[in-house]
Amino acid sequence: GAVVSQHPSWVICKSGTSVKIECRSLDFQATTMFWYRQFPKQSLMLMATSNEGSKATYEQGVEKDKFLINHASLTLSTLTVTSAHPEDSSFYICSARGTSGIGGYTFGSGTRLTVV
Amino acid sequence: RKEVEQDPGPFNVPEGATVAFNCTYSNSASQSFFWYRQDCRKEPKLLMSVYSSGNEDGRFTAQLNRASQYISLLIRDSKLSDSATYLCVVASGNTPLVFGKGTRLSVIA
Repeated sequence: GAVVSQHPSWVICKSGTSVKIECRSLDFQATTMFWYRQFPKQSLMLMATSNEGSKATYEQGVEKDKFLINHASLTLSTLTVTSAHPEDSSFYICSARGTSGIGGYTFGSGTRLTVV
Repeated sequence: RKEVEQDPGPFNVPEGATVAFNCTYSNSASQSFFWYRQDCRKEPKLLMSVYSSGNEDGRFTAQLNRASQYISLLIRDSKLSDSATYLCVVASGNTPLVFGKGTRLSVIA
């Protein structure tokens, strides 16, 4: 079945630094990547949708200059949290979709970000 | 009104019990419906899709009522390993999945 690999699993960083999270589709070509964020006891909230080779579409309230998304290849998308602050501490998770909807309902293992 | 609403629980039930979760959705154009399971600090994992005709997978039964925009999940003979948060998820066409906040289940020995 479709496998999505996400790294790192967890990261602790200092306030003001940037953190990059990678999401890879291992056995299919991901034409679309979805990035979600989940705060404790909250639902997964979509942050942005990215299509390979084009700019990401951000949901309302998500700062595109703070959360940089790159989807330069069909197997890799990255989310960079720039100038991270403690309020950015959350569980970030990606989902990848290929042609014909392949992988559309499979998630990466998530990244727990703690900003201190 | 939230797009997908669920009772957050927690539901604390003894082993062997039958427990049911409900979910309502607001977008009448929704086409796909799912139940996901999420363990603490882990990614959601697909438990089962939900069809209008109802579907069963072992101890799990899911039902969809399009007229009422209502989805349910029934778990029979609860096991300790069923303890998790159950997420009601809805999608329309190729749009991203929309998640409910989840219902927390604790199965107690």
